[in-house]
Parts: sequence; C-alpha cells; structure tokens
Amino acid sequence: DAKTTQPTSMDCAEGRAANLPCNHSTISGNEYVYWYRQIHSQGPQYIIHGLKNNETNEMASLIITEDRKSSTLILPHATLRDTAVYYCIVRGDGTSGSRLTFGEGTQLTVNP
Amino acid sequence: GAGVSQSPSNKVTEKGKDVELRCDPISGHTALYWYRQSLGQGLEFLIYFQGNSAPDKSGLPSDRFSAERTGGSVSTLTIQRTQQEDSAVYLCASSTGTSGLDTQYFGPGTRLTVL
Repeated sequence: DAKTTQPTSMDCAEGRAANLPCNHSTISGNEYVYWYRQIHSQGPQYIIHGLKNNETNEMASLIITEDRKSSTLILPHATLRDTAVYYCIVRGDGTSGSRLTFGEGTQLTVNP
Repeated sequence: GAGVSQSPSNKVTEKGKDVELRCDPISGHTALYWYRQSLGQGLEFLIYFQGNSAPDKSGLPSDRFSAERTGGSVSTLTIQRTQQEDSAVYLCASSTGTSGLDTQYFGPGTRLTVL
C-alpha cells in the first residue's frame, strides 16, 4: 500500500472549517484513500473514503486531486469534540490483505 | 446497532502471567482483526480472521501470542508469559468480509499493563 505524509499537528478554531491535508504521491490506480480518527483513549473511528471522486457524508468531505497524489479531509464546522488524531490511509486489495496500516497521523486540536 | 465490544477494558497483570482478551464483533461481520497500539505509537496489525479461512497470523510478534475465533463470532487473544513490552492497548475491529476493502469498525480497546 502507498505511503502517506501528513502534518504532525494542526490547530483550528471552534466553528471554523478544519482542512487536513494528506500526500500520497505513489498511490496506484486501484488504491483508495481512507480517513480514520482516534479520539484520546478510544478506538479508531472510520470517517470517509474515496477513489477519485470527491465524497461527502454526515461527518466530513473528502477532496481528492485530479492526479490523486494528494487529498484533503474537510470538517466543515469543527467542534471541541473533533479534537483527535486523524489518519490518512491508502489502501488497496493487494498482497497485504485487508489490514489497515496507520502512519503517524495529524493531531488536530480544536480551540474554543 | 451494537458496535464492537471488548473486555476487559483494563487489565493489569504481573510479568510471566497469561492473559486473555475478548472481542465481540458486530453481528454478521465475518472478518475480524486484532491490532495493538503501544504508548505514542501507531497501530500494529496482529492477526486477521475471515470466515472459515485459515487466519493471517503474520503480524503476531512472538509465539507467546495466539488468537482463536470460535463459531465465527467471538475472538480471544491470548498472551502467554507476559512481558513488560506487551503493555499496550489491544484493539479489535470487524468488517462485513465481502471484500478486501471493507470498512473496519473498531472496539474501544483493552489497555494491558504488565508490571
């Protein structure tokens, strides 16, 4: 699975949009971009995933560039409860099977 | 509906003792995964069960670690002769198992402390 690069940390004001970037320049054509988050002392929580089109659900939006080498997770109106580590994962149905490979992630802190 | 549950939520044990950690996946999910997360580290894959297929044990760090899944549902991760480096949060996840790209849903984890 392709490696991802994310900033170590970001801050966001409560009520504002949080835009979390992810680079995945070695992504291949059949690999998806997944986002999970982990709130302190909890298990990881699925947020959203996409292949090439932008996606939106009740939690967030995922914007994938046309060349698919990077993406941005958008939390449109961040709340204090969105403070968490956000993981961008590139995942394909390859020889590594179905396991998720988590990198370091981005620590998002939402400030009042 | 009910999510993935794990028990106990916390376990403190002495070095050399055996421990068993339990995972109840989401009902109907045929795929089940164990991961562990050491302090300040990312998640490390341990083992993967899919239906009646032989489990993928490639992530187990030593032969002290084993896991089973009875009746295709509940899973138990056993650590024998625990060591201090086994201290971590052990996370279980399940998915529908219909494809290799199923969304995995995680439980709250079991925090294991080996004294």
